[in-house]
Amino acid sequence: KAGVTQTPRYLIKTRGQQVTLSCSPISGHRSVSWYQQTPGQGLQFLFEYFSETQRNKGNFPGRFSGRQFSNSRSEMNVSTLELGDSALYLCASSPGGAASTDTQYFGPGTRLTVL
Amino acid sequence: AQSVTQLGSHVSVSEGALVLLRCNYSSSVPPYLFWYVQYPNQGLQLLLKYTTGATLVKGINGFEAEFKKSETSFHLTKPSAHMSDAAEYFCAVSVPYNQGGKLIFGQGTELSVKP
Repeated sequence: KAGVTQTPRYLIKTRGQQVTLSCSPISGHRSVSWYQQTPGQGLQFLFEYFSETQRNKGNFPGRFSGRQFSNSRSEMNVSTLELGDSALYLCASSPGGAASTDTQYFGPGTRLTVL
Repeated sequence: AQSVTQLGSHVSVSEGALVLLRCNYSSSVPPYLFWYVQYPNQGLQLLLKYTTGATLVKGINGFEAEFKKSETSFHLTKPSAHMSDAAEYFCAVSVPYNQGGKLIFGQGTELSVKP
């Protein structure tokens, strides 16, 4: 099976712009989660989508949003970019049932730099 | 609430020496625990996971971890370090979907391997 793919791998934006990141999960996986990784804050959970619905959300401002399509692919959008949004954004997919034993499989990430 | 603490942000070992990366967790429910590895400019790769059953868990690349409930620990070990083991290692606890549905990560431990 192909792994989780994320596009683009690298992005450079300026403050105030918006950006959309894309994630394609492992075939058959219905849950997609997004994480932000920064040197200062480490790995932080943004949100999780399951069957096109946001099922869980982390503690991020409303500038961060996402959606999931019927084929389980997911996009994440950040509006009005700030310098502090510079980070590695990781997408993870899992089968998505109710079991917390589900393993999350991560993509390679999108490196966002805000200038 | 669940949390994870990794003791030591940097660990350095000689090639062929024992690798020991420490992880302690806090969980109000039976924990499901994971170790991931991250190589430079890459996403997270699953090393191993503990759900239920045997407390000694074997993973990929010769790594293993032992779940000790009495010590709330899940330390990662490898008998003999290899240069290719140099990477950052993350311990994580899984939160059930109906309680937040996410992985909570420790701050990470960077492993250096000296020739």
